[in-house]
This record gives sequence, structure tokens and C-alpha cells, in this order.
Amino acid sequence: AQSVSQHNHHVILSEAASLELGCNYSYGGTVNLFWYVQYPGQHLQLLLKYFSGDPLVKGIKGFEAEFIKSKFSFNLRKPSVQWSDTAEYFCAVKGGGATNKLIFGTGTLLAVQP
Amino acid sequence: EAGVTQSPTHLIKTRGQQATLRCSPISGHTSVYWYQQALGLGLQFLLWYDEGEERNRGNFPPRFSGRQFPNYSSELNVNALELEDSALYLCASSRGQGPQQETQYFGPGTRLLVL
Repeated sequence: AQSVSQHNHHVILSEAASLELGCNYSYGGTVNLFWYVQYPGQHLQLLLKYFSGDPLVKGIKGFEAEFIKSKFSFNLRKPSVQWSDTAEYFCAVKGGGATNKLIFGTGTLLAVQP
Repeated sequence: EAGVTQSPTHLIKTRGQQATLRCSPISGHTSVYWYQQALGLGLQFLLWYDEGEERNRGNFPPRFSGRQFPNYSSELNVNALELEDSALYLCASSRGQGPQQETQYFGPGTRLLVL
């Protein structure tokens, strides 16, 4: 069965620090990969996605993620975080076949201290 | 462009009752998905509807059901409510099937509390 692991449940950073959130998935076939973000009091929003092509994808608000097929990873990065990046971040994978369902990781709660 | 909308925002029911949750997809989207976000269990896939038909369902009992209407809006029904059904129910929509069309956009959710 497909699964997604997010290694860090809680991350606390100071403003301007660099961020890397880990995401690993288990699925041997072609995957579509996503990072979603949930800001306090807001709904889940798409941050970035990977379908094919360049494994380094750029998203909104300066976020990027790198798909490393050999490591089954899709880590999220940002060189310099801001207080407004405080949110919960979810990695998700959609495997092949006709299910179309997203498998989500358990989420990482990021708190950025001013 | 309006996003995915859901109603009601909050719903309080008692055990054994039925709950009906509603979702309107983004204009032009034909697929609707339902997810449950329960405390400690994360986001779990419930149902997928496309062009009025149920295409796939997650590992949930049959008392979770739904339908999609001709205007692509959708209803999720939960019968014989149990305490553990208390959760945030999220609806998402996408343009449909095929590459690049499967990005799912989420609504704000309906928070269901079962007493």
C-alpha cells in the first residue's frame, strides 16, 4: 500500500533561517507529488506540485521541492523563512492507476519565531 | 475565480443521527473528492465522484455515502453517526482525469461534532 512519511512533526525556526521538511513515499510506479499548506484559520492550499520533467519545482512564496526518485523523496525547502510561514505543511502523493486519491503524510507544524 | 465551497461550516449531531454535508466545486471542475481529517489520524480519502458517478472509495464503512449532482456539486451523507465520526470533512475538486488535470483544490471544510 502507498504511504507517505513526514519526518518532523514540529519544527521551530527563527526568522531568516533555512527550512527543509522531509517527505518520503512508498510506491514503485509513476507518482504525482504535492505539498499543501494550512495557515492558521485557513483552508488547505496548494504550495507546489510535481508531475514530470525538471525534478526541482518551484512553488508559491519562495518554496521549492526536489523530487529524488532513487530516494523516494520530495523534500520541501525555503532559504529564508518568515513569521508568516507559520503553518502546517502536508506532503501528498497520488500514485498511478485510476484511484485519483491523495495519500497524505501526517503533517509538519512549523512555527517561525520573529 | 471562486474556490471550493462547503456547507455548513459546523454541524453538531448526536449518536445515531444522520449528517449531510455539501460541497460546490470550482467552476469547470467535474471531479469532487471527500476527505476526513480526524484528530490523530491525519487526512484520509473517503470518496471520489466524477461526472456523477462514484469512481473510488476509501476504507470507510458503507454508512458513509454520497452523490454528485448534474451541476457537479456533491453531498456526503453519514448515517448512524458514531462518536469517532467527529472530524473535519474536507471537499476537494479537480478538472478531472488525465495528466495535469488532477490537481485537487480544497474547500474550508465542515467540522462535524458527534455528541
